[in-house]
Amino acid sequence: NAGVTQTPKFRILKIGQSMTLQCTQDMNHNYMYWYRQDPGMGLKLIYYSVGAGITDKGEVPNGYNVSRSTTEDFPLRLELAAPSQTSVYFCASSSRQGPYGYTFGSGTRLTVV
Amino acid sequence: AQSVSQHNHHVILSEAASLELGCNYSYGGTVNLFWYVQYPGQHLQLLLKYFSGDPLVKGIKGFEAEFIKSKFSFNLRKPSVQWSDTAEYFCAVIRLVTDKLIFGTGTRLQVFP
Repeated sequence: NAGVTQTPKFRILKIGQSMTLQCTQDMNHNYMYWYRQDPGMGLKLIYYSVGAGITDKGEVPNGYNVSRSTTEDFPLRLELAAPSQTSVYFCASSSRQGPYGYTFGSGTRLTVV
Repeated sequence: AQSVSQHNHHVILSEAASLELGCNYSYGGTVNLFWYVQYPGQHLQLLLKYFSGDPLVKGIKGFEAEFIKSKFSFNLRKPSVQWSDTAEYFCAVIRLVTDKLIFGTGTRLQVFP
């Protein structure tokens, strides 16, 4: 029972480089989310998806893109990495049915230098 | 602005002391409320949640929280903390009309033996 799997766990990028943070869930959850966590700021919602083919912006979407071609996968794309994107990124999923509760991945620590 | 507020940013306690962490939200309407814990170097784990019914909710590891609707509060309590409770604690709220989980800025708890 893997839950929510994020890769990679750590990454260092140079300014201007691009990368994709991968997120996969095996719980057949319709809802998926990307958050970034910065010290003293809590978690901020970047993008979310309510199902395959549907995505929407969260609180801090600038500099990021997402896609949701399948129920299982919700990758987050950084096109031109900037130092302000140094953060810890968490993917989460939830089911619309039953009590709400998010399952979080283990996080990706990204440093942009 | 609609938000989730955690007024205690850093709390330091000795073992066996009692704990209360404040959480207030400013959303109207029906909400679901959560407390998450993040141990050093780990991802978020659900401590407890409130959806409806008894406003006093009991979670894992001896934690409980009380929903006071008139005060828009959902404070977390534990009668006697342990060194292993050292972690960061996040309050979070879902407004049912938006289905997005919004976090407070977190409270860092340090417990000394």
